[in-house]
Amino acid sequence: GENVEQHPSTLSVQEGDSAVIKCTYSDSASNYFPWYKQELGKGPQLIIDIRSNVGEKKDQRIAVTLNKTAKHFSLHITETQPEDSAVYFCAASRIEGTALIFGKGTTLSVSS
Amino acid sequence: NAGVTQTPKFRVLKTGQSMTLLCAQDMNHEYMYWYRQDPGMGLRLIHYSVGEGTTAKGEVPDGYNVSRLKKQNFLLGLESAAPSQTSVYFCASSANREDTGELFFGEGSRLTVL
Repeated sequence: GENVEQHPSTLSVQEGDSAVIKCTYSDSASNYFPWYKQELGKGPQLIIDIRSNVGEKKDQRIAVTLNKTAKHFSLHITETQPEDSAVYFCAASRIEGTALIFGKGTTLSVSS
Repeated sequence: NAGVTQTPKFRVLKTGQSMTLLCAQDMNHEYMYWYRQDPGMGLRLIHYSVGEGTTAKGEVPDGYNVSRLKKQNFLLGLESAAPSQTSVYFCASSANREDTGELFFGEGSRLTVL
């Protein structure tokens, strides 16, 4: 089955800096790679996703890149703000019907 | 809009007791999932369902049972609770996976087994 590794487990940055979180996956048939943000006491929420037919996707300050050959994908947050502080999860799956497998999460702390 | 609702939100059990967590969604989603979240372990899939009347095992299914008798509900049962099942449980749902893969999560149910 799929296995997703996520690094780092914790990340501390100053407000305005960039943050990068990296994930690798094992199943070469996986073709869907979302990122979720979990704020304290809440369930995770989707912030961005990418499918295997594209290499990069951006949404304002957030971008995700995918390297299918190397089987890794990354989340990039630019101009970080204190409200970006949360736990971030990457995940992978085949889009056609199987369930998402998550990485272990990265706790991002943005200090002002 | 309620979205995904989990009950109860908190529960304390003694070892060997049984209980059921209820998940309800009002988005007419086909797919539903149960995950558990433990410190340093992320979100691990327990069981999932791709439609009414169907269930499938996830990464960590042992010690749990599930049922999906109605499309909008997904029940997670613990027949004989163990301290290792102390965790925060999240239910999620998603629409047809070919349209979007987005999972919508509930706010979690914190279970403590003494």
